[in-house]
Amino acid sequence: AQTVTQSQPEMSVQEAETVTLSCTYDTSESDYYLFWYKQPPSRQMILVIRQEAYKQQNATENRFSVNFQKAAKSFSLKISDSQLGDAAMYFCAFTIYFGNEKLTFGTGTRLTIIP
Amino acid sequence: ETGVTQSPTHLIKTRGQQVTLRCSSQSGHNTVSWYQQALGQGPQFIFQYYREEENGRGNFPPRFSGLQFPNYSSELNVNALELDDSALYLCASSFHGVETQYFGPGTRLLVL
Repeated sequence: AQTVTQSQPEMSVQEAETVTLSCTYDTSESDYYLFWYKQPPSRQMILVIRQEAYKQQNATENRFSVNFQKAAKSFSLKISDSQLGDAAMYFCAFTIYFGNEKLTFGTGTRLTIIP
Repeated sequence: ETGVTQSPTHLIKTRGQQVTLRCSSQSGHNTVSWYQQALGQGPQFIFQYYREEENGRGNFPPRFSGLQFPNYSSELNVNALELDDSALYLCASSFHGVETQYFGPGTRLLVL
């Protein structure tokens, strides 16, 4: 069974600064996908970034980037130039593909942006 | 492009009742997954529907059931509601074989 662990229940960062959210996972699979989703108070889960395990290059989406360490089973999210709109719960998620694209989520990290 | 929609947004039921939640998938998507998110937790996979059939199920009892329709929309039915069923229910759509799922706004269910 796959598990995803987010060890930081809460994080805070000053506006315009950089913050890193941690995620580790456990799997015996070699081919899988990792995601970061953002859930603001509106509740809608929004895809932030995704990483394919077979790619060595870390994914980047504007101010969001990941540090994917496959051997260490680590997948951290870095948010640069933090903005007030980044305040939300952030969930790390994992899936393997075998015809059932079930997502396994961590427990989330609540990110607060300090003006 | 139309995103994932869910109805209703909120629902209050009493223990023992039955409830139906609805989801319309994003245009171009043929697969729908349902998740239960208890307060303060990450979402838990309930089941997935593809080609109108269940295509994988999480650790949920049979009183959680679903349907997918020819237009790829889906329903989640929960019978004999229990207090612990109170949660946010999220629907996500995707294209089968493509792993990225896109979520709807959710339905908040409260069981009294």
